[in-house]
Amino acid sequence: DGGITQSPKYLFRKEGQNVTLSCEQNLNHDAMYWYRQDPGQGLRLIYYSQIVNDFQKGDIAEGYSVSREKKESFPLTVTSAQKNPTAFYLCASLGDGAHNYGYTFGSGTRLTVV
Amino acid sequence: GIQVEQSPPDLILQEGANSTLRCNFSDSVNNLQWFHQNPWGQLINLFYIPSGTKQNGRLSATTVATERYSLLYISSSQTTDSGVYFCAVRGGNKLTFGGGTRVLVKP
Repeated sequence: DGGITQSPKYLFRKEGQNVTLSCEQNLNHDAMYWYRQDPGQGLRLIYYSQIVNDFQKGDIAEGYSVSREKKESFPLTVTSAQKNPTAFYLCASLGDGAHNYGYTFGSGTRLTVV
Repeated sequence: GIQVEQSPPDLILQEGANSTLRCNFSDSVNNLQWFHQNPWGQLINLFYIPSGTKQNGRLSATTVATERYSLLYISSSQTTDSGVYFCAVRGGNKLTFGGGTRVLVKP
């Protein structure tokens, strides 16, 4: 079955550390997205990528970085510059074909600073 | 950017009741989706509905794009319908989410 895999499900980070969240899709989607969700809130866009080797900042990109070296993969790095990284992170991809439209989300990574 | 507002923010239902959730958006959009977020955080796609009406079992949705709103109907609610319902609209390359409606269905 096609889908999006995020790992790990839970991640603990010490202050001052960089951590990388993985997102892999086998849906053959061109566009991929990273969202952040704080408790009781909606989702806010961090970064997105329309094609390989290209990405754009979303609404809250400060303190985060991404890469898109392969179509299937869109990892997110939470850097030490992100002052409040504890949140739930969701990765998504977008299909625009005749039978493959709309956004599909992974199951998320819960990041906690300890 | 596009503003998306959902109402009501919270909804408590008795099992078997019907309800309507509303999503208003501020500008023309390429598409609109309704999602259900379960207690484990997984976002489940309910409807891709840029316009018109769709039905899937006890759920249905209607989008009136010219008036910039969408409605999600839950009929004969069950406890498994509990969770947060999000409306999300796509303008350009970005998908913008509303704040969600938190639904609790009591047995």
